[in-house]
Amino acid sequence: DIQMTQSPSSLSASVGDRVTITCRASQNFNNYLNWYQQKPGRAPKLLISGASTLDSGVPSRFSGSGSGTDFILTISSLQPEDFATYFCQQSYSTPWTFGQGTKVEIK
Amino acid sequence: QVQLVESGGGLVKPGGSLRLSCATSGFTFSDYYMSWIRQAPGKGLEWVSYASSGSRHIRYADSVKGRFTISTDNAKNSVYLQMNSLRADDTAVYYCAREDYRRGSCMDVWGQGTTVIVSS
Repeated sequence: DIQMTQSPSSLSASVGDRVTITCRASQNFNNYLNWYQQKPGRAPKLLISGASTLDSGVPSRFSGSGSGTDFILTISSLQPEDFATYFCQQSYSTPWTFGQGTKVEIK
Repeated sequence: QVQLVESGGGLVKPGGSLRLSCATSGFTFSDYYMSWIRQAPGKGLEWVSYASSGSRHIRYADSVKGRFTISTDNAKNSVYLQMNSLRADDTAVYYCAREDYRRGSCMDVWGQGTTVIVSS
């Protein structure tokens, strides 16, 4: 199974800050890497597919990059509605696996 | 409008069974794979299973293989998860999600989830 490791597990940031979340895979794969946002009590929401393609309606302050084993989610200017938990997920080989999540909290 | 609505969760004793349903609307069901993903209380996301329409292609996580069975009904645009031999560690919110294999199998639409509690 492909293990996905996110860092950090949590972070505190202020509105307007630039935030980066890293996701590392245990083996090399193509860009079958997706990012999701989850708010408390809600279902996850797809932000980015294929490592860098923004899903429809996702604000442009979100961006994804990386390839191989190292991937990054960047929020260029954190907004109040962005405080949530973010998960990466590989869809290269089953079982699909998720990172443990990164909780973005208000500083 | 694309919609996924799960049902069937509840409280069940260890060793018991439960059948989850996910009714879909607003898209061509046969064009997509459907997945079940679960989230234990306070924990991360765990993919459970997926099926293509018509159930031609099916995969399971090792943690549920032999106990859970996924199936689809194209006439009802629905996907199901039959869960047998339930254990305490199956306690979770269960989400169904649409998988778009044309976009690298990302899960682009999710239901609201249904809660399964396994406890005596």
